[in-house]
Amino acid sequence: AQSVTQLDSQVPVFEEAPVELRCNYSSSVSVYLFWYVQYPNQGLQLLLKYLSGSTLVKGINGFEAEFNKSQTSFHLRKPSVHISDTAEYFCAVSDLGNQGGKLIFGQGTELSVKP
Amino acid sequence: EPEVTQTPSHQVTQMGQEVILRCVPISNHLYFYWYRQILGQKVEFLVSFYNNEISEKSEIFDDQFSVERPDGSNFTLKIRSTKLEDSAMYFCASRVAGGNEQFFGPGTRLTVL
Repeated sequence: AQSVTQLDSQVPVFEEAPVELRCNYSSSVSVYLFWYVQYPNQGLQLLLKYLSGSTLVKGINGFEAEFNKSQTSFHLRKPSVHISDTAEYFCAVSDLGNQGGKLIFGQGTELSVKP
Repeated sequence: EPEVTQTPSHQVTQMGQEVILRCVPISNHLYFYWYRQILGQKVEFLVSFYNNEISEKSEIFDDQFSVERPDGSNFTLKIRSTKLEDSAMYFCASRVAGGNEQFFGPGTRLTVL
């Protein structure tokens, strides 16, 4: 069974500062990894995904994440955040061998960008 | 750009009543999902559906829940006898066969009184 841990429930940061949102996963099999963003009162939007290949993945809105197999981590980073990045961020895994492809989500990290 | 739609956006019901949450997945998608998010908690998988049958379900998805694709476009989640603890945001998602990205709808907020 897979599990996902997002180590920070809330991350306050000032505008234009860098940010890292941490995600660790546990799985006995190979997985796909995802980051989703949820803006207030909206659904989930895919930021980026890791399937295979290069461990550094670039996504939308200037976000990137690095897959680290030895540390079972997939931390999300952005070098300079904007007010509009204020949202809830969810890390998720999907079992490669699972044909249904269900997503297992972490608890979420609330990113709050202050002026 | 095609998107997943869900209706209603907010449903209020009395405990013990039946509710049906509706989703219209993206038209060429073949895998469908329901997830829920209790206020302040993480998003949880409920059920996946492919080729007109459930492919996987979670422990949450007990006999009170059912899913159906009644026609070529809708995908519904029925809760037969709602409980207070069913209050949550319910998300529908879909993906293409062979794909790995799930596209999510905006959600239906279910409030059970």
